[in-house]
Amino acid sequence: DTAVSQTPKYLVTQMGNDKSIKCEQNLGHDTMYWYKQDSKKFLKIMFSYNNKELIINETVPNRFSPKSPDKAHLNLHINSLELGDSAVYFCASSLKHQTLSGNTIYFGEGSWLTVV
Amino acid sequence: LAKTTQPISMDSYEGQEVNITCSHNNIATNDYITWYQQFPSQGPRFIIQGYKTKVTNEVASLFIPADRKSSTLSLPRVSLSDTAVYYCLVGENNQGGKLIFGQGTELSVKP
Repeated sequence: DTAVSQTPKYLVTQMGNDKSIKCEQNLGHDTMYWYKQDSKKFLKIMFSYNNKELIINETVPNRFSPKSPDKAHLNLHINSLELGDSAVYFCASSLKHQTLSGNTIYFGEGSWLTVV
Repeated sequence: LAKTTQPISMDSYEGQEVNITCSHNNIATNDYITWYQQFPSQGPRFIIQGYKTKVTNEVASLFIPADRKSSTLSLPRVSLSDTAVYYCLVGENNQGGKLIFGQGTELSVKP
C-alpha cells in the first residue's frame, strides 16, 4: 500500500564504499525526485526525473548517479562515499513536473545513511 | 528566487489554535504556496496548498493576503500528535518541480 517506498531505511557504511538506495512509487506519477536532508533539517533537491528523463541536477558531485529504469523507479547510486554524505535521503514523486498547477509531491520514509 | 522565512520554533498546548506565519516577499505571479508537515523519522507530508485568500481542509486552514507576500497556516485545536516540523514552500515557476524548502518551524505541543 506504500505510495513511495525506498530501501534500505538505514545504512551504515565505511568511507570509500559504493552504495545504492532504491526507490519505487506505485502512484502512476510521471516525475520522481531525490532530496537530501542534512543534520540541520534543510531539505535540498538533488535530482528530478520526468518519464525517465533527467530534468533537475542540482550541482551534486559526480559521485552521485541517479538511474531511472522506468518511470516508477528512481535509484540513487553513490560512489566513494565520504563522511559528509551522511544524511537522510528522501525519494519523492509527483504527477507532473510542474508547480504551476499546484503539484503535490509525495515523499518516501527516508533512508538514513551514515558514513564512518 | 522565492525564499521563505518562518519562525524556527513554536510552543503550544493541547487544544489551542496554532498559527504559523511564513514570509515570501519575492513570490512569483504563478507560484502556489504549499505547506508540508514532517514527523521525526518520516518524510514530509502534504498538508495544504493555496494561491490566494483562504483555503480550508480537514487538517488546517491557509490564509493568504491580497499581496501574497506572506501566508499563515492555522491548526485548530492542536493535539500532542501535531508536534512536528512545518515547512512553507513556494514553487519556482521557471523550473517546474523545484520546490524550495526552508528550515521549517518546529512546533512542540505540550499537554
